[in-house]
Amino acid sequence: DAGVTQSPTHLIKTRGQHVTLRCSPISGHKSVSWYQQVLGQGPQFIFQYYEKEERGRGNFPDRFSARQFPNYSSELNVNALLLGDSALYLCASDRGASGNSPLHFGNGTRLTVT
Amino acid sequence: QQQVKQSPQSLIVQKGGISIINCAYENTAFDYFPWYQQFPGKGPALLIAIRPDVSEKKEGRFTISFNKSAKQFSLHIMDSQPGDSATYFCAASIGNQGGKLIFGQGTELSVKP
Repeated sequence: DAGVTQSPTHLIKTRGQHVTLRCSPISGHKSVSWYQQVLGQGPQFIFQYYEKEERGRGNFPDRFSARQFPNYSSELNVNALLLGDSALYLCASDRGASGNSPLHFGNGTRLTVT
Repeated sequence: QQQVKQSPQSLIVQKGGISIINCAYENTAFDYFPWYQQFPGKGPALLIAIRPDVSEKKEGRFTISFNKSAKQFSLHIMDSQPGDSATYFCAASIGNQGGKLIFGQGTELSVKP
């Protein structure tokens, strides 16, 4: 089975632009979470979606938004990009059932804002 | 109260040695503690996880030790190999927030041949 897939793998944007990152979960997984990983730090939780509903939101500004589609894939959108948004954006999926089903990560999208 | 503190920041171990990475947490509501391994250019991969009802879990060369009263847990890598050289992250979550992991700052492990 394919793992979590993310696209694109790398992206360069200019300050003020917006960006859309995409994620396809593991087959059978209904929950998708997004994380931001700044170089040299641990991933930080941005959003979780389950059955197209937002289940959780981290401490990120409203410039960050996400959605989940009927096929459980997801998009993360970031508006009005800042230099500080440069990071590795990770998508993770799990079955979404209660009881902490293991979270599986994709290889991320490396976003550089210039 | 949501923090997970990880140490050391970096670790150098000789091949065949034991690598030990420690984490401490504050929120007693945490009930799931996974460890992830991350290689450069890759996403974190789940290594091993533990729940607070057990004090130790072993999978191959990897062991988690859990001390509920001290709110600490650690990863032990026995017989460390150069292929284990990676960044390791501890994490924690609350049962009904499974997709929301709180990660430690990471430990960069280098195993010398």
